[in-house]
Amino acid sequence: DSGVTQTPKHLITATGQRVTLRCSPRSGDLSVYWYQQSLDQGLQFLIQYYNGEERAKGNILERFSAQQFPDLHSELNLSSLELGDSALYFCASSVTGARSYEQYFGPGTRLTVT
Amino acid sequence: GESVGLHLPTLSVQEGDNSIINCAYSNSASDYFIWYKQESGKGPQFIIDIRSNMDKRQGQRVTVLLNKTVKHLSLQIAATQPGDSAVYFCAEIIEGGSEKLVFGKGMKLTVNP
Repeated sequence: DSGVTQTPKHLITATGQRVTLRCSPRSGDLSVYWYQQSLDQGLQFLIQYYNGEERAKGNILERFSAQQFPDLHSELNLSSLELGDSALYFCASSVTGARSYEQYFGPGTRLTVT
Repeated sequence: GESVGLHLPTLSVQEGDNSIINCAYSNSASDYFIWYKQESGKGPQFIIDIRSNMDKRQGQRVTVLLNKTVKHLSLQIAATQPGDSAVYFCAEIIEGGSEKLVFGKGMKLTVNP
């Protein structure tokens, strides 16, 4: 168990809908990262938040947004969903500033868009 | 653009053998590399890391080798066990001051009893 929790575990929704994925980082970790894992694209970095502020952005679509709250949990919002958004979405956390960039991954949320 | 990739998509080994998983990276400015293991139905799990000022780093049954000349990274697993069966990813930090990881496509290791 990495200490990172994600909810829900599975999510099935229709095209055009909007969903919110939730992540709670490990206790003490200030950074939260979101990744998308699909069969054809592998693990793709989406976005990073550090202590409530956006710190780095990757291949995140404009239809997607994220935020980190004062209690450090994070939410990833996916809107106008398309079939191609079906994937595993992972959240990871780390202690930014430490010597290691080791990130701890949650169990993921499997999103299926029908 | 920068990319991290793996030479072999699949690898099957016998239990007890040593396994070597290879990875190529393209950005010579990368200064930190990590190997992750992902078991079926789980998130990636940190295995070992290495900084670009090192050539070799050892952990428990695992060794990572870095060859900066040819931009090659490898993960060696000694006495491979069935529990080592997983997909292995190498990842690269390519932006200074950010922990933005670029992952390779992954390689599936199957350990046969």
